[in-house]
Amino acid sequence: EAQVTQNPRYLITVTGKKLTVTCSQNMNHEYMSWYRQDPGLGLRQIYYSMNVEVTDKGDVPEGYKVSRKEKRNFPLILESPSPNQTSLYFCASSGLAGYNEQFFGPGTRLTVL
Amino acid sequence: DQQVKQNSPSLSVQEGRISILNCDYTNSMFDYFLWYKKYPAEGPTFLISISSIKDKNEDGRFTVFLNKSAKHLSLHIVPSQPGDSAVYFCAASALAGNQFYFGTGTSLTVIP
Repeated sequence: EAQVTQNPRYLITVTGKKLTVTCSQNMNHEYMSWYRQDPGLGLRQIYYSMNVEVTDKGDVPEGYKVSRKEKRNFPLILESPSPNQTSLYFCASSGLAGYNEQFFGPGTRLTVL
Repeated sequence: DQQVKQNSPSLSVQEGRISILNCDYTNSMFDYFLWYKKYPAEGPTFLISISSIKDKNEDGRFTVFLNKSAKHLSLHIVPSQPGDSAVYFCAASALAGNQFYFGTGTSLTVIP
C-alpha cells in the first residue's frame, strides 16, 4: 500500500530534550516536506527537500533541522524543543518537485512541557 | 503574515445543495493552487488543483474557480454529501511549486 508513515504518532517530552520524528514514504517520491498545524494558523511549511541531500527552509524553520540521506526518509529533528513547538506535525511527499499534489502522513502530535 | 486566507472558519449546508468554500491570497507570485480535505485524526488528502493559466478546473462533483485579478479562488461541491463533512484547506505554491502556503481551513458540515 502506497503511504507516508510517521513515528511516533504521539509524543510528550520536556523542554530541551532532543527528539526525532521519523518520516518514510514507499512511493519513490523525490519531494518531501514537513508541516506543522496550529489552531488559527493552518498548516505552515517547516522544511522541504527536492531530492536526496537537497533541503530548503520553508516558512517556519526556526528550531528545526532535517536531513535527507535516503530518498525514502526525511526525519525532523528538534535539538532543543521548547513549549512553542507543541503542535501537530505532518510529513508529506510528492512524485516530482513542483506542481504536484502531496501525500500526507497521519500526523504526529507533539507536546513539549 | 498569512498569505493565504480562508475567512470562513465553518460552513453548514444541506445534503444535495451546493457548498462554496472561499480562499483569498495576497502574493501575486503564486501560480499553482490546491484544495485538500482533512478528516479528524488523519492527514490532509488532495482534492483538486488549478494552475494560474486556467480559471476553472472540474473533477466530478468538485470545481475550483480562480480569479487572478481578485486573488481569489473558490471550491464548489455539487451536490454536497454527508461524507464531504471535513476541514478543507486551500494552498498556494511559489518557487516553481516547491514552497507551499496553506490557509487556516474551513470546517464543512453537510446536514443529511
